[in-house]
Amino acid sequence: DIQMTQSPSSLSASVGDRVTITCRASQSISSYLNWYQQKPGKAPKLLIYAASSLQSGVPSRFSGSGSGTDFTLTISSLQPEDFATYYCQQSYSNLSWTFGQGTKVEIK
Amino acid sequence: QVQLQESGPGLVKPSGTLSLTCAVSGGSISSSNWWSWVRQPPGKGLEWIGEIYHSGSTNYNPSLKSRVTISVDKSKNQFSLKLSSVTAADTAVYYCARMYEIVVVAATRYYYYYMDVWGKGTTVTVSS
Repeated sequence: DIQMTQSPSSLSASVGDRVTITCRASQSISSYLNWYQQKPGKAPKLLIYAASSLQSGVPSRFSGSGSGTDFTLTISSLQPEDFATYYCQQSYSNLSWTFGQGTKVEIK
Repeated sequence: QVQLQESGPGLVKPSGTLSLTCAVSGGSISSSNWWSWVRQPPGKGLEWIGEIYHSGSTNYNPSLKSRVTISVDKSKNQFSLKLSSVTAADTAVYYCARMYEIVVVAATRYYYYYMDVWGKGTTVTVSS
């Protein structure tokens, strides 16, 4: 299995802050990396696919970058509705799609 | 637009079989997508369980493969999950999701997959 490791596990930030979340794969996955946002009691929502492509309807303050083993999700100016848990997911190997453990973004 | 809805018993006895169904509306299950199950234990992260194509082809998480069966019913536009020999560790919210495929053609073809449509999830508790 390809292991996905996110950092940090949680962070505290204020509205307007620039936030960066990192995801590292245990082997190269090219750009086969997706990002999801999950709010409490809700299903995950796709934000970014193919490492850097913004899903339709997702605000442009969200962006993704990276290739190979290291990836980042950036929120350029944190909004109140962005407080949530974020997951990366590799789509390189369908022998087993795997998620990172999640990063919880909390209000400072 | 495509919508997904999970259904099934919310309580399953230990050693029993968990059975869930995901109804697809607003689109055909025979479209060029895979259909997945993902679960989330209380307070924990997401775990992919497996997926099925309308042809019946399946892929399963190796850690669950011996206990999982995913099937498709094209006549009812739905797919189903069975997880056998359940224990308390299988208590979770279970989601169904569409695994969308896009193809980028450059020097070669690149196939990208992502879960773009999710059901609301259903809670399954394993307890006697």
